[in-house]
Amino acid sequence: DAKTTQPTSMDCAEGRAANLPCNHSTISGNEYVYWYRQIHSQGPQYIIHGLKNNETNEMASLIITEDRKSSTLILPHATLRDTAVYYCIVRGAGNMLTFGGGTRLMVKP
Amino acid sequence: AAGVIQSPRHLIKEKRETATLKCYPIPRHDTVYWYQQGPGQDPQFLISFYEKMQSDKGSIPDRFSAQQFSDYHSELNMSSLELGDSALYFCASRGNLGLAGDTDTQYFGPGTRLTVL
Repeated sequence: DAKTTQPTSMDCAEGRAANLPCNHSTISGNEYVYWYRQIHSQGPQYIIHGLKNNETNEMASLIITEDRKSSTLILPHATLRDTAVYYCIVRGAGNMLTFGGGTRLMVKP
Repeated sequence: AAGVIQSPRHLIKEKRETATLKCYPIPRHDTVYWYQQGPGQDPQFLISFYEKMQSDKGSIPDRFSAQQFSDYHSELNMSSLELGDSALYFCASRGNLGLAGDTDTQYFGPGTRLTVL
């Protein structure tokens, strides 16, 4: 599976949109972009995933660039409960998840 | 909606003892994954099972073994425990791709915190 690069940490004001970038320049055509988050020592929580089209669900939006080499997770109205480590993972179908680093998002009042 | 269940949630063992962690996947899910997360680290894949057969293997020590049973629950058996085995152990399950509506997404349980003294 392709490797990903994310900023180590980000801050966001409560109520504002949080935009979390991820670079995956070596992604191959059949690999998906998955986003999970982990709130302090809890089990990783699935957020959203996509292949090449932008996706939206009740939690977030995922914007994937046309060349698929990067993506952005958008939390439209961040709350304090969104403070967590966010993992961007590129994964082929059926494969295990390879967690690497992630972005520690701090939502501040 | 039903989630992945893990038991026990907390476990304290002495060095060289054995431990068994259990995972009950979301109903209808046929694939189970085990991950280990040491203090201050990211989760690391250990092993996975599909339809009761081992499907993939990661950095799982030889002292550990796992299996998936006919009801799809899985157990991770850990022997000769070492201090370094102290970690969070997560189980994740994935849907039955042969069923309409199920996807390839893994859903995680709350984890078992193992402390080895």
